[in-house]
Amino acid sequence: DGGITQSPKYLFRKEGQNVTLSCEQNLNHDAMYWYRQDPGQGLRLIYYSQIVNDFQKGDIAEGYSVSREKKESFPLTVTSAQKNPTAFYLCASSAGYSNQPQHFGDGTRLSIL
Amino acid sequence: AQKITQTQPGMFVQEKEAVTLDCTYDTSDPSYGLFWYKQPSSGEMIFLIYQGSYDQQNATEGRYSLNFQKARKSANLVISASQLGDSAMYFCAMRDLERKAAGNKLTFGGGTRVLVKP
Repeated sequence: DGGITQSPKYLFRKEGQNVTLSCEQNLNHDAMYWYRQDPGQGLRLIYYSQIVNDFQKGDIAEGYSVSREKKESFPLTVTSAQKNPTAFYLCASSAGYSNQPQHFGDGTRLSIL
Repeated sequence: AQKITQTQPGMFVQEKEAVTLDCTYDTSDPSYGLFWYKQPSSGEMIFLIYQGSYDQQNATEGRYSLNFQKARKSANLVISASQLGDSAMYFCAMRDLERKAAGNKLTFGGGTRVLVKP
């Protein structure tokens, strides 16, 4: 079955540490996205990529970095510069056609140790 | 800039009854799409229904329907015959359909929590 796989499901970060969240899709979608969700709130866009080797900042990119070396993969690194990283992180992909929905992974919960 | 407002933070609904979730939006884009997603407590986002700004008819998808009033900039979700499994957070989102540079990004509202009572 086609879908989006995020790993790990839970992640803990120590002070001053960078951590990387994995996102892989086998839907053959061109576009991929990373969102952050704080408790009881909506989703906010961190980064997005429309094609391989290209990505753009979203609304809250500070303290995060991404890469898009393969169509299937869009990893997100939460750097030590992100002072409040505790949140639920969701990865999504879409076919790139405007009326098509974004498909989401199951998310990664990141906490500070 | 686009903005989505969901004014109902939480709602109770009796099983088998209908419930309407409000969504108002603000955009200067002439062509846009509106999406509704369901997020159960497990966290995944499930796509429910889509409405394009130029669609002549209100969208329907099984027990979900969209009450789209373009002049009032509202796109309310109606869930008919509520089931216990409908208990979840519901998010309204929109996307600009014309500007390629927008990258098909979604702007989300703050969500409405629905609890279905047996």
